[in-house]
Amino acid sequence: EVQLAESGGGLVQPGGSLRLSCAASGFSFSTYWMHWVRQAPGKGLVWVSRINTDGSITTYGDSVKGRFTISRDNAKNTLYLQMNSLRAEDTAVYYCVRSSYSLPDYWGQGTLVTVSS
Amino acid sequence: DVVMTQTPLSSPVTLGQPASISCRSSQSLVHSDGNTYLSWFQQRPGQPPRLLIYKISNRFSGVPDRFSGSGAGTDFTLKITRVEAEDVGVYYCMQTTQFPWTFGQGTKVEIK
Repeated sequence: EVQLAESGGGLVQPGGSLRLSCAASGFSFSTYWMHWVRQAPGKGLVWVSRINTDGSITTYGDSVKGRFTISRDNAKNTLYLQMNSLRAEDTAVYYCVRSSYSLPDYWGQGTLVTVSS
Repeated sequence: DVVMTQTPLSSPVTLGQPASISCRSSQSLVHSDGNTYLSWFQQRPGQPPRLLIYKISNRFSGVPDRFSGSGAGTDFTLKITRVEAEDVGVYYCMQTTQFPWTFGQGTKVEIK
C-alpha cells in the first residue's frame, strides 16, 4: 500500500525557517517524481515544487522561488522541503504528492505550517 | 500560467440525484504527446485530496462508476450519476499538462 507521511510542521515566526519531511513506503520511491502542494486554511490547492527521481531537476512556484528548497534522500525514502524566510502567506497544510507520468496519484495526510508572531 | 475556472462553486444536491461540475482552462490542455492531462479530485472534510479521474475520463483505482469525466481541449465536466452522502466535499479539477500545475477554485457539493 502506498503511504506518504508528512512531518515537521508547526508554528514559526515570520522570517523563520522550517524543514518538512515526507516518509514514503509501499512503492519504489526512487523511481517517482515527487511534489509538494499546499492549501491555506479554507482555501484551494496550490502546487509548490517538484523534484525528479534522482534530485537533479527541481522546479518551484513563483511564490516560493528563492526561499524554498526541495530535496530527497532515496536511501531513506524521504522527501524534504526546506522553507526559509517564511511569511504569513505561507501558512498552509503542506501535502507530499507522488506523481506517475504527470499524474498526481497519491497524497499524504498533510502537515500544518503556521507562520505567525 | 494556465487558469482553471470551475462552475458552479457550490452545488446543493438531493441524495440520489445527479450532479455536474464544469471546468474550463484558459488554454488547451492537449500535451505535445497527444494526451490531455486533466484530473479531478475529491476532498472530503478534514481529508487530503483523493484522485478520482485522470486524463479526462479514466477512473482511478477504487473509484465508483457513478463518477465520470468528459470533455476535450479547454472544456471538461465531472458528473456524479446519483449523489450519495459520502460524496459530500469539495471537488477540484487540475491540469498537469504544463508547469506550474494549476487547480480550479473548487466546487462544494453538499446535500440539500
